[in-house]
Amino acid sequence: AQSVSQHNHHVILSEAASLELGCNYSYGGTVNLFWYVQYPGQHLQLLLKYFSGDPLVKGIKGFEAEFIKSKFSFNLRKPSVQWSDTAEYFCAVNAIGDYKLSFGAGTTVTVRA
Amino acid sequence: DAGVIQSPRHEVTEMGQEVTLRCKPISGHNSLFWYRQTMMRGLELLIYFNNNVPIDDSGMPEDRFSAKMPNASFSTLKIQPSEPRDSAVYFCASRRRDRGDTEAFFGQGTRLTVV
Repeated sequence: AQSVSQHNHHVILSEAASLELGCNYSYGGTVNLFWYVQYPGQHLQLLLKYFSGDPLVKGIKGFEAEFIKSKFSFNLRKPSVQWSDTAEYFCAVNAIGDYKLSFGAGTTVTVRA
Repeated sequence: DAGVIQSPRHEVTEMGQEVTLRCKPISGHNSLFWYRQTMMRGLELLIYFNNNVPIDDSGMPEDRFSAKMPNASFSTLKIQPSEPRDSAVYFCASRRRDRGDTEAFFGQGTRLTVV
């Protein structure tokens, strides 16, 4: 069974700082990978996804993520955060051929103006 | 497309009462998920359906919880009897699975408070 581990529970940073959130998964086969964002009081929305091809994936709002197969990682990055990026971020994995979509515990990001 | 629609958005009920949460997935999506989100436990997968069939309900906390999907456009999650520890935000999500996978789309959630 697949599982997802997010390294940071809560990250606090200032506007214009760079952000990197770690995500590792445990599954030996081929996977689809996702990052979702949940703004305060709202539902989860897709930031970006990786299915195949270029391991560097660009998403909305200036976010990108890199899939490193050898490390079972899919870290999320943003070069310069804004106050509006304050939210909870979830990494998710889906093993190819499996129905299940598993989420990590989430990382709360607080951006101070 | 209207997206995944959940109702009600908010529900306050007394302990012991039956609660029914509803979800309408995106048209054409054939997989549906129910998640529960709490501060303590984060986002938990309760059950998921594929083509209206429950595939894995191992995340359902106990027999008080049940879920159904009578057709491709409707699913319910029922709690009977409800308890204060069931208070949480319940999300429904759907995705399309045919020749490949797509991302899941989430509804706005139902905030359940059991007093």
